[in-house]
Amino acid sequence: EAGVTQSPTHLIKTRGQQATLRCSPISGHTSVYWYQQALGLGLQFLLWYDEGEERNRGNFPPRFSGRQFPNYSSELNVNALELEDSALYLCASSFLGLEFGQGTRLTVV
Amino acid sequence: AQSVTQLGSHVSVSEGALVLLRCNYSSSVPPYLFWYVQYPNQGLQLLLKYTTGATLVKGINGFEAEFKKSETSFHLTKPSAHMSDAAEYFCAVRVPTGGGNKLTFGTGTQLKVEL
Repeated sequence: EAGVTQSPTHLIKTRGQQATLRCSPISGHTSVYWYQQALGLGLQFLLWYDEGEERNRGNFPPRFSGRQFPNYSSELNVNALELEDSALYLCASSFLGLEFGQGTRLTVV
Repeated sequence: AQSVTQLGSHVSVSEGALVLLRCNYSSSVPPYLFWYVQYPNQGLQLLLKYTTGATLVKGINGFEAEFKKSETSFHLTKPSAHMSDAAEYFCAVRVPTGGGNKLTFGTGTQLKVEL
């Protein structure tokens, strides 16, 4: 069974640009969770999607948004990138616990 | 609100020695508890989880953890450390309502294993 897959692995953007990160959950999982892991800030919950709907979001500004597609894959969009958005973005799908992908390393320069 | 506290941001042990990583939780309802491991530049891998039932939980790579309600603890142990155990370890608690399977993570403990 394939695990959670994320793309791209690395992404470099300049300040003010937009970044799009993608995630495919484990087959059969309908929920996708996004977390941000920034240096010194630990793992912060960003967004939860289930059955195509946003169910919950963490304490992040509206320029962090996303969506979930009918096949349950998900996209995270970060608009108007700031330097402090540089982080590892982790996607997870769930069955009791969360199964994580390998992450996308976003670097904003 | 649920939270977890990991005591010790860095722990160093000798190869072959006991590994003990501490986690205390705060929860107003019976929690689900998890331990994850993260190797450099990788995602998180589930080591073990406690949901209900037996309080001693065995996970992968020889790790285990014991849920102690009276102490609100879920410490992670391994009898004999191996060099490959060097990584960062995260304790997490599941928010039981309104958040699906959303987890709240501790700040992590970096484990160093020395020869």
